[in-house]
Amino acid sequence: QVQLQESGPGLVKPSQTLSLTCTVSGGSISSGSYYWSWIRQPAGKGLEWIGRIYTSGSTNYNPSLKSRVTISVDTSKNQFSLKLSSVTAADTAVYYCARTGSWHEGWFDPWGQGTLVTVSS
Amino acid sequence: DIVMTQSPDSLAVSLGERATINCKSSQSVLYSSNNKNYLAWYQQKPGQPPKLLIYWASTRESGVPDRFSGSGSGTDFTLTISSLQAEDVAVYYCQQYYSTPPVTFGPGTKVDIK
Repeated sequence: QVQLQESGPGLVKPSQTLSLTCTVSGGSISSGSYYWSWIRQPAGKGLEWIGRIYTSGSTNYNPSLKSRVTISVDTSKNQFSLKLSSVTAADTAVYYCARTGSWHEGWFDPWGQGTLVTVSS
Repeated sequence: DIVMTQSPDSLAVSLGERATINCKSSQSVLYSSNNKNYLAWYQQKPGQPPKLLIYWASTRESGVPDRFSGSGSGTDFTLTISSLQAEDVAVYYCQQYYSTPPVTFGPGTKVDIK
């Protein structure tokens, strides 16, 4: 079955750009009508959807983060990536990647295990 | 944006007893064309990612025990654990996918053993 794994630096300095990659295994990122999403969760808090990408490259972002977010896909590597610019301590969180279907099937499954990113100097 | 709220924030239930979690959306997530509610439920245990339990408000994901059930329509939904087991201690989230972007989640309900 499809599995997702996040990777990237665990520590980012304030004002810099957070960069994470999600590697998809057990299936092609291009197969099926799926969107690939990033979701984050500050410690002890709830879930915040960041954005998603379709394998065509079409993206949707959370308006609250849109000015700072870029999500891209590399089908040759079966990966998609997140860049979040101008980070502050408020961006410290566990970042998850997840798969979702079309609008009519917009639940998230599966999820990656998550990676903790701390913003600190 | 559709705002999701959950109640209670936390609850403690005796083993074998029923646990009920409520979720409310700020607008209807019922799509009239197919009569489906665009709402999902997740379970998150400490140190783990959320796990999909239910979609379409009441369809149980494959492999999810039948003690978990979802109900409701429009703006008011319920997740019921009919007989709480020790392994059900977790935080439970609802999520709407009717109006996106953005996808929105409820704030979570923590379930503990009394």
